[in-house]
Amino acid sequence: ETAVFQTPNYHVTQVGNEVSFNCKQTLGHDTMYWYKQDSKKLLKIMFSYNNKQLIVNETVPRRFSPQSSDKAHLNLRIKSVEPEDSAVYLCASSDWGANYAEQFFGPGTRLTVL
Amino acid sequence: GQQVKQSSPSLTVQEGGISILNCDYENDMFDYFAWYKKYPDNSPTLLISVRSNVDKREDGRLTVFLNKSGKHFSLHITASQPEDTAVYLCAAGNQGGSAKLIFGEGTKLTVSS
Repeated sequence: ETAVFQTPNYHVTQVGNEVSFNCKQTLGHDTMYWYKQDSKKLLKIMFSYNNKQLIVNETVPRRFSPQSSDKAHLNLRIKSVEPEDSAVYLCASSDWGANYAEQFFGPGTRLTVL
Repeated sequence: GQQVKQSSPSLTVQEGGISILNCDYENDMFDYFAWYKKYPDNSPTLLISVRSNVDKREDGRLTVFLNKSGKHFSLHITASQPEDTAVYLCAAGNQGGSAKLIFGEGTKLTVSS
């Protein structure tokens, strides 16, 4: 099956803890993204990697750090989570050369910070 | 401010009618424009996208109109059906500048039978 996979689906944690989210795509794409979907359902880009190289790094708190081992994987680590980090985190991928705007999304990881 | 805006949070259309969804953008460097469809508790899926070198693109019941001078693009859905009921997100970006797409807040379309 070719798609974008994310784990975990849900995660509940306490303020100050560290969390890691995983994303893998089997579509053969060379560009991957992390988005944050807030309580108002607005999607905001956080990071983008093209062939393991960081190409977009929006103004996000320094406790957020992306990690890419190869072009099929892009993980997201959050050190010392805050209540405002509660959101759905969506991973996506695209083929930069063909149509970068055609982005394929994973199912999302819902983070709840207590 | 929000670079891509959908001014209508919701729209209701009768079955068989034309649904018109609108999107305005601020950055005249944007050269990619897309519409995504999102069901509740699901991720967005791409419906149709256009580059800035065309003013219109059709795909079945879907048509995207691009008005670059007005910094506006729209999605027309003809013969609207109840299964078209969903949230529609517009998005725009500049491939030459960076890889990021800027999404609008979404318009909830309800097609009533």
